[in-house]
Amino acid sequence: AQTVTQSQPEMSVQEAETVTLSCTYDTSESDYYLFWYKQPPSRQMILVIRQEAYKQQNATENRFSVNFQKAAKSFSLKISDSQLGDAAMYFCAYRSFSNFGNEKLTFGTGTRLTIIP
Amino acid sequence: DAGITQSPRHKVTETGTPVTLRCHQTENHRYMYWYRQDPGHGLRLIHYSYGVKDTDKGEVSDGYSVSRSKTEDFLLTLESATSSQTSVYFCAISEEDRVRSYNSPLHFGNGTRLTVT
Repeated sequence: AQTVTQSQPEMSVQEAETVTLSCTYDTSESDYYLFWYKQPPSRQMILVIRQEAYKQQNATENRFSVNFQKAAKSFSLKISDSQLGDAAMYFCAYRSFSNFGNEKLTFGTGTRLTIIP
Repeated sequence: DAGITQSPRHKVTETGTPVTLRCHQTENHRYMYWYRQDPGHGLRLIHYSYGVKDTDKGEVSDGYSVSRSKTEDFLLTLESATSSQTSVYFCAISEEDRVRSYNSPLHFGNGTRLTVT
């Protein structure tokens, strides 16, 4: 079974600065997807960014980017120019490549990000 | 908007009582999921469904049952609630359209906060 580990329960960053959230995972599969979800205080789960394991290029979405190290099984999220609205719980998640349509995700335990004005 | 409604939004119940949580979707998606969210554990899959009357267990299914008699409704039942089942419960659906699934693999409801006293 796959496991996802987020070793930082809490992080804080000054507004406008850059912060990196770490995620490692364990799998025997060669093809898979990785995701970062954001959960603000409203409890809504919002997809931030995704990465396909077969793509070597790191995914980017505006101020959000990932550092995907397949051999090290590491998938960190970098948030640049942090904004107050980025304050949330961030979850890393894994999904097997197969079973398209069946989106069973394995989640990490989450990192609570605080933005300091 | 994936059209997912969870009810109730909040519930307090006593140990030993049965509880049913409802998830309703408006877009006829095949796959539906129940997750629970707990501090230090992230989100964990309880059960999922891949069609009417087709369900399967997730990683934390003990003490829970599900039913799906109609495409649009996925019910989660705690036959005899225990304090360890105090949690926030999320329903989710996944898109079968490959393009839309790429953009957002899972759409979550707003969660039900269940407290078992």
